[in-house]
Amino acid sequence: GEEVAQTPKHLVRGEGQKAKLYCAPIKGHSYVFWYQQVLKNEFKFLISFQNENVFDETGMPKERFSAKCLPNSPCSLEIQATKLEDSAVYFCASSQKGWVNIQYFGAGTRLSVL
Amino acid sequence: QQQVKQSPQSLIVQKGGISIINCAYENTAFDYFPWYQQFPGKGPALLIAIRPDVSEKKEGRFTISFNKSAKQFSLHIMDSQPGDSATYFCAASMSSGTYKYIFGTGTRLKVLA
Repeated sequence: GEEVAQTPKHLVRGEGQKAKLYCAPIKGHSYVFWYQQVLKNEFKFLISFQNENVFDETGMPKERFSAKCLPNSPCSLEIQATKLEDSAVYFCASSQKGWVNIQYFGAGTRLSVL
Repeated sequence: QQQVKQSPQSLIVQKGGISIINCAYENTAFDYFPWYQQFPGKGPALLIAIRPDVSEKKEGRFTISFNKSAKQFSLHIMDSQPGDSATYFCAASMSSGTYKYIFGTGTRLKVLA
C-alpha cells in the first residue's frame, strides 16, 4: 500500500495480559522501525528490521517485548505480561533501500494498560 | 551524546507571523536532520529534512537553517497559519549507524487566527 498501516488503532489490556500490535509497511519498503511515544511526547526507538532480519534491537526491553517481520505478513510487536508503564502510542515507520533515513510513519496503536 | 534538545516546549504565534523552533545535538556523527509535524491522534508526517553539507533548505513556507559548527538547526515557518497548529519534532540519525531516529521532545505550536 501507499501508507504504513497499523492495527489496531487502540488496544486495552489488563496488567499482565499480552498485547500484539501489527504494522504493514509501504509496499516496496524493506526497513521497518518501531518507536514508543509516551505521554510527554517523548519518542523511544525500540527495534528495526531489514526485511525479516533484525537490524537494530538496542531499544528493546528484551524481557517482555518481542518483534517479528516475516515474509508476506505484517510485522508484529508483542508485549508479554503488560505493565502500566507500557501504556503509550506505538508507531511503526518504514523506509526504502537507498533512502533508509526517510522514514514514513503509520498512525500508531494506542496501548492502554489498566 | 545521543540527545537532541528542542526548544521551546510551546509556542504561540499570530497568523501571518514567523514560527521558529530550535534543536541542538552533540553527536557529530549525525548526518540527517528531519522535521516532523504531528496532529493529535495522528502519526508524525515528514515536513522537511537537511544534511550537514548545506546550511539552509527551503520548501514552500518551511525553512531549515543548519549551523554545523554550533551543532544546531532550526525550523522556520513563514506566514504561519492556524492549520499549522500542531506538535513539531526535530530528529537526527546516522547513516553510519542503523538510521534510527533520535527525536527532540517536541514543540506544541498554536497559531492564533
